[in-house]
Amino acid sequence: GAVVSQHPSRVICKSGTSVKIECRSLDFQATTMFWYRQFPKQSLMLMATSNEGSKATYEQGVEKDKFLINHASLTLSTLTVTSAHPEDSSFYICSARARGHQAFFGQGTRLTVV
Amino acid sequence: AQKITQTQPGMFVQEKEAVTLDCTYDTSDPSYGLFWYKQPSSGEMIFLIYQGSYDQQNATEGRYSLNFQKARKSANLVISASQLGDSAMYFCAMREGAGNQFYFGTGTSLTVIP
Repeated sequence: GAVVSQHPSRVICKSGTSVKIECRSLDFQATTMFWYRQFPKQSLMLMATSNEGSKATYEQGVEKDKFLINHASLTLSTLTVTSAHPEDSSFYICSARARGHQAFFGQGTRLTVV
Repeated sequence: AQKITQTQPGMFVQEKEAVTLDCTYDTSDPSYGLFWYKQPSSGEMIFLIYQGSYDQQNATEGRYSLNFQKARKSANLVISASQLGDSAMYFCAMREGAGNQFYFGTGTSLTVIP
């Protein structure tokens, strides 16, 4: 079946630095990918929709300058958390929709900002 | 209004018993898809089952079945013969029309007791 690979699975960074998270569709082309944030024991919150070749669409309340999204190819979207702060610590997960109904999810990235 | 409502924050079930996880949804679009995902402690989102709004029969996938009651706008997940490995968070989700965005419920934490 379709597979979405997300890297890294876990990252610890210092406050003020930037962190890049990659999301790849391994066996299908994804013109649209989604980035979610999940706090402990809570649901997935959609942050933005990443569109290949154009600007991402951000949900209300999500800072576009803080969470930079680039969808440079049909198989790769990246989320960069810029100038990270401890409150950015969270679980970030991407998804992509192949042909058909369902969305496939990456393995998620647990970000800890110290 | 919430698109997806899951009213059970936590559920317990005895091993080998069946359990029903509740999900209600809200949409005015006649065409929609309903999904259930399992999220173990590792964080990955595992697709379980899909039900289309025009599907005449309830979806089944192995030990998973979806009790689709369109008039009541409910899409409950039934897990039969529970196993210890079923302990996880379970999320109900919906996609409307031809759109790509998924709306998630707040999840239900299922614990299978030996």
